[in-house]
Amino acid sequence: GNSVTQMEGPVTLSEEAFLTINCTYTATGYPSLFWYVQYPGEGLQLLLKATKADDKGSNKGFEATYRKETTSFHLEKGSVQVSDSAVYFCALFRGGSNYKLTFGKGTLLTVNP
Amino acid sequence: GAVVSQHPSRVICKSGTSVKIECRSLDFQATTMFWYRQFPKKSLMLMATSNEGSKATYEQGVEKDKFLINHASLTLSTLTVTSAHPEDSSFYICSGVGMGESYNEQFFGPGTRLTVL
Repeated sequence: GNSVTQMEGPVTLSEEAFLTINCTYTATGYPSLFWYVQYPGEGLQLLLKATKADDKGSNKGFEATYRKETTSFHLEKGSVQVSDSAVYFCALFRGGSNYKLTFGKGTLLTVNP
Repeated sequence: GAVVSQHPSRVICKSGTSVKIECRSLDFQATTMFWYRQFPKKSLMLMATSNEGSKATYEQGVEKDKFLINHASLTLSTLTVTSAHPEDSSFYICSGVGMGESYNEQFFGPGTRLTVL
């Protein structure tokens, strides 16, 4: 079946540090890949997505590239801010009739001033 | 982007009572809606999938008689927690899938914090 593995953290960084959160997946065919962010006490927001191999999703300074050869979709940001503190979820959508998302377990990021 | 609302955002109830949570797609028609449960510091657990006008499909281990889901229209799904107990306390999140170009993306609500005393 489909699965998503991401580093569980927690990850603690200083402001302006470089961020990488690893995400790898297992799925047949060509899934769509997503990163969601959840700020404290809130629901999930789509951060970025990529729907085919070599696509790069980007938003708010975050980037992730769909690498089919390594089945990865690592999240990166060159300079994090305190406001980026949140839980980040990697997810895949395989398609078909049920539209289910398969989530990773989430990575808690804390950015200190 | 598409907007999903949930009501209430927070609810506190006594043990043994029932609580209804509403999930609405505000600017799109959601043919499919999902209900998730999130425990502290843990990932999302999919509870059930509901399609408009048909019975919900529950994930293994989720009691369908305890968590009643209704998806009566393309913009509204409800989750009723019946005979709530303290262990039902959790953060419940819904999402919807639209039609057309947005069919491959779930749009999430802001969540409902349920506390059962």
